[in-house]
Amino acid sequence: KQEVTQIPAALSVPEGENLVLNCSFTDSAIYNLQWFRQDPGKGLTSLLLIQSSQREQTSGRLNASLDKSSGRSTLYIAASQPGDSATYLCAVRGGSEKLVFGKGTKLTVNP
Amino acid sequence: GAVVSQHPSRVICKSGTSVKIECRSLDFQATTMFWYRQFPKKSLMLMATSNEGSKATYEQGVEKDKFLINHASLTLSTLTVTSAHPEDSSFYICSAILHKETQYFGPGTRLLVL
Repeated sequence: KQEVTQIPAALSVPEGENLVLNCSFTDSAIYNLQWFRQDPGKGLTSLLLIQSSQREQTSGRLNASLDKSSGRSTLYIAASQPGDSATYLCAVRGGSEKLVFGKGTKLTVNP
Repeated sequence: GAVVSQHPSRVICKSGTSVKIECRSLDFQATTMFWYRQFPKKSLMLMATSNEGSKATYEQGVEKDKFLINHASLTLSTLTVTSAHPEDSSFYICSAILHKETQYFGPGTRLLVL
């Protein structure tokens, strides 16, 4: 059974700092991995999707990497801003279309 | 981008009543939709996979008679929480697949059962 773990559970940083969020998964046989953002009381916004054959994806200040063999992914946020404050969720997709989510990392960027 | 809506966004009901939550894909057709439940500080938990024109597939431990799912069209799936109890209070989120790649999520529905 696939399990997804995210570390740390919470992170507080000053504005402008670069930061890394970590995601690990137990079964390396994945189809893709996705990073989402969730604001309080809201749904999920997809940030980046990495196919199993890819090593990384970039979108603006966000960069996600994938090391499938070791079961790890990182989300790098450059020059963090207060507007980046949210919970970041990692999810992996196996052979079916189902996603398995981690519990998320709650990020607070202080002005 | 693809948009998924949910209605209502928030509902408060008395114990024993039934509550219906709608999930719509606004600008695309979705043969498959998913229903998730999220507890505070917990992962999203997949409840069921909803396929248009057929019965939903429920995850282990989810009561199909408690959580009725209907996927009547390619743009609408409904989740009905029957005889709701306080322990059913949660945040319910749906998603729809476009092009078998990305799941697009709705804004969620907060259910509070008194």
